[in-house]
Amino acid sequence: AQSVTQPDIHITVSEGASLELRCNYSYGATPYLFWYVQSPGQGLQLLLKYFSGDTLVQGIKGFEAEFKRSQSSFNLRKPSVHWSDAAEYFCAVGAGNTPLVFGKGTRLSVIA
Amino acid sequence: DAGVIQSPRHEVTEMGQEVTLRCKPISGHNSLFWYRQTMMRGLELLIYFNNNVPIDDSGMPEDRFSAKMPNASFSTLKIQPSEPRDSAVYFCASSLEGAQEQYFGPGTRLTVT
Repeated sequence: AQSVTQPDIHITVSEGASLELRCNYSYGATPYLFWYVQSPGQGLQLLLKYFSGDTLVQGIKGFEAEFKRSQSSFNLRKPSVHWSDAAEYFCAVGAGNTPLVFGKGTRLSVIA
Repeated sequence: DAGVIQSPRHEVTEMGQEVTLRCKPISGHNSLFWYRQTMMRGLELLIYFNNNVPIDDSGMPEDRFSAKMPNASFSTLKIQPSEPRDSAVYFCASSLEGAQEQYFGPGTRLTVT
């Protein structure tokens, strides 16, 4: 069965520092991969997606993610974090005509 | 594009009452999903529809929960009777196809006292 693991429940970074959020997946077929962000009291917003092609994908708000098939990973990165990036981040995987499977999320705190 | 619209945004009700949550998907999307989010269990898929037809309702917790999609632009999630443990944020999402990117509504925060 497909699954998504986000190993870090909570991460704290300093404003201006780089960020990497980890995501590992288990899926039988070539997956579609997504990162979503949820600000407090809001719904989930799509940050970026990978379907095929270039394994480094760019998203909104300066985020990028790299698909590594050999490691079954799709880690999210940002070179310089802003205080407004504090939120919950969800990795998701899917393929074909089935619903996405979401990880349990990583909460990001940003300190001055 | 107005995005996915959910109503109400907040609902407070007493145990035993009927609750109806509403969702309008993005025009042209043919898949619709209902999720529940709590601190303890995270984001749970309750049910999803393709072309207005329920495909998988295995995530619906009990018979007290029911969902309908009478047409392509409207869906409801009903809880009858409601219980305090149903308190959560309920999200609706839509997509063009089942596993392509889903677009989420702002959610309905339900509190059952």
